[in-house]
Amino acid sequence: GAGVSQSPSNKVTEKGKDVELRCDPISGHTALYWYRQSLGQGLEFLIYFQGNSAPDKSGLPSDRFSAERTGGSVSTLTIQRTQQEDSAVYLCASSLSGTEMYQPQHFGDGTRLSIL
Amino acid sequence: RKEVEQDPGPFNVPEGATVAFNCTYSNSASQSFFWYRQDCRKEPKLLMSVYSSGNEDGRFTAQLNRASQYISLLIRDSKLSDSATYLCVVSNSGYALNFGKGTSLLVTP
Repeated sequence: GAGVSQSPSNKVTEKGKDVELRCDPISGHTALYWYRQSLGQGLEFLIYFQGNSAPDKSGLPSDRFSAERTGGSVSTLTIQRTQQEDSAVYLCASSLSGTEMYQPQHFGDGTRLSIL
Repeated sequence: RKEVEQDPGPFNVPEGATVAFNCTYSNSASQSFFWYRQDCRKEPKLLMSVYSSGNEDGRFTAQLNRASQYISLLIRDSKLSDSATYLCVVSNSGYALNFGKGTSLLVTP
């Protein structure tokens, strides 16, 4: 499709396991973003990629969280040793550029992560 | 203090009504402003950008008051399909978006 694609759409795992979430941005979009939305909370910025580099990782909540982007396209967000507080919807967005104001960000459907 | 604050609502209005939402932001250096819409268990979608001079898109009008650091959204002639959560969004950097928790709108027949 033409939109941002995320997989899996749902993930249930046991506490302590590692999980990997995938995002496939809109073709041609150089900027990619990860956000997290916990129940009853607003969206929380996690990390921003411009091409394959991440100029801003300030939103990653702990060193258990990491992300990479390859080929200026697909990105993976990895959470190691998951905790129950990691349960949330993880949203990926992309935009044509991350360096200009008023660039609309287009969101994927998200991955709903549940830690048992 | 949260960077972007909104009244969570819910706002329950009849079809055809006019409804207005406000939000305030704390960082005076904020540079770009948006309203996003999020339907239940769906991803946020851009409704409109908000410019300093104010702007209109059909039934939707957005205003920005930099001096008072608030943003408003006016919806005229409400439709049932307008029922959603409206997210006030502010960016300080050109990339990272700061989202309010959203204002819930329910338009009833």
